[in-house]
Amino acid sequence: TQLLEQSPQFLSIQEGENLTVYCNSSSVFSSLQWYRQEPGEGPVLLVTVVTGGEVKKLKRLTFQFGDARKDSSLHITAAQPGDTGLYLCAATSQGGSEKLVFGKGTKLTVNP
Amino acid sequence: KAGVTQTPRYLIKTRGQQVTLSCSPISGHRSVSWYQQTPGQGLQFLFEYFSETQRNKGNFPGRFSGRQFSNSRSEMNVSTLELGDSALYLCASSLVGGPNTEAFFGQGTRLTVV
Repeated sequence: TQLLEQSPQFLSIQEGENLTVYCNSSSVFSSLQWYRQEPGEGPVLLVTVVTGGEVKKLKRLTFQFGDARKDSSLHITAAQPGDTGLYLCAATSQGGSEKLVFGKGTKLTVNP
Repeated sequence: KAGVTQTPRYLIKTRGQQVTLSCSPISGHRSVSWYQQTPGQGLQFLFEYFSETQRNKGNFPGRFSGRQFSNSRSEMNVSTLELGDSALYLCASSLVGGPNTEAFFGQGTRLTVV
């Protein structure tokens, strides 16, 4: 069973601060996705990273896939209250089942 | 176009009962996956259906079952409910499923077992 470990589990910051959350595993993945889930809603896909070392930017969010395709990070610049939510990473294994495995998430709160 | 629709949104059941949850995927999507989300375990994969066939299955007991109809709509059933089955059940649809495929989630069904 591939495990995705996300850290930190909880993060509370002030508006305008920068933050980084992490997603780590001992397994190699063919791709990795980041989702954001708001209370009462289902997760919404933010980005998919496929190539080791890949960096993708989505406005103030920067996603990086590790060179060995075992880990990823999400960096948010100048966080805003609208960034509040549960950030989940999910991955499909390399050469294995096609099902998505999710981390337990990082619950981010951005205070005004 | 309409998103993924899950019904009902909220459900309260008694231990020992059974429950059926419904998911209507985005039009044209043929893959439907089901997940259980709890605070302690996070999102856990239940099963995936594609063209009316179960293609992948997670590590859940046989009390959890599902099916997919010819119009891609899917149902999941939980029999002999236990308190630990209380969770948010999420359905996700995608065009064909598989790696790198974007999955679109519904709002979920919040099941409470008392």
